[in-house]
Amino acid sequence: GIQVEQSPPDLILQEGANSTLRCNFSDSVNNLQWFHQNPWGQLINLFYIPSGTKQNGRLSATTVATERYSLLYISSSQTTDSGVYFCAVETLGTSYGKLTFGQGTILTVHP
Amino acid sequence: DADVTQTPRNRITKTGKRIMLECSQTKGHDRMYWYRQDPGLGLRLIYYSFDVKDINKGEISDGYSVSRQAQAKFSLSLESAIPNQTALYFCATSDSLRQGAKDYGYTFGSGTRLTVV
Repeated sequence: GIQVEQSPPDLILQEGANSTLRCNFSDSVNNLQWFHQNPWGQLINLFYIPSGTKQNGRLSATTVATERYSLLYISSSQTTDSGVYFCAVETLGTSYGKLTFGQGTILTVHP
Repeated sequence: DADVTQTPRNRITKTGKRIMLECSQTKGHDRMYWYRQDPGLGLRLIYYSFDVKDINKGEISDGYSVSRQAQAKFSLSLESAIPNQTALYFCATSDSLRQGAKDYGYTFGSGTRLTVV
């Protein structure tokens, strides 16, 4: 099956800093999503982004499908950005639904 | 009310007991999923359903069964719980091509923390 690798595994920042999280995947995809899991365990969908660039406030994401990677940018980080960020993908040719998750990047933002 | 509701939120059960986790959604989505999360292993797909009559095994379906009672309801059963099924369980929904979706983003429930002793 498709492999998903996220880097870095851990990231510690001071409030106000910027960061870039990376997701590499081993096959062509038709579906790529980024999620944030907060310290209470809730999973929130940040982006559905199989290709191209999207922005939502301080967060933006870019997927270069031909090179099999996606980047999540967090600008002016806040303590509420802490948690685990997951990338999840689905292989091209399947039916737009079943995601394979990466292991996540644990982000800690200190005040 | 939450778009995707899971019950119970927490459950402790004994080895060998049957337990059902329930999920209901108000998103109107065709597709529903059950995932489990273990520390260090990310989320893994247990079962998925693309409509009421379409149920499929995921990556780790052994020891689990599901029922799609209606478009809005998808339950997960552990027929005889064992300790290595202790995990955080998530239900999720997504839109479908049939419904004209352009965005297949998942909506997750809040999770059920299950402990098997």
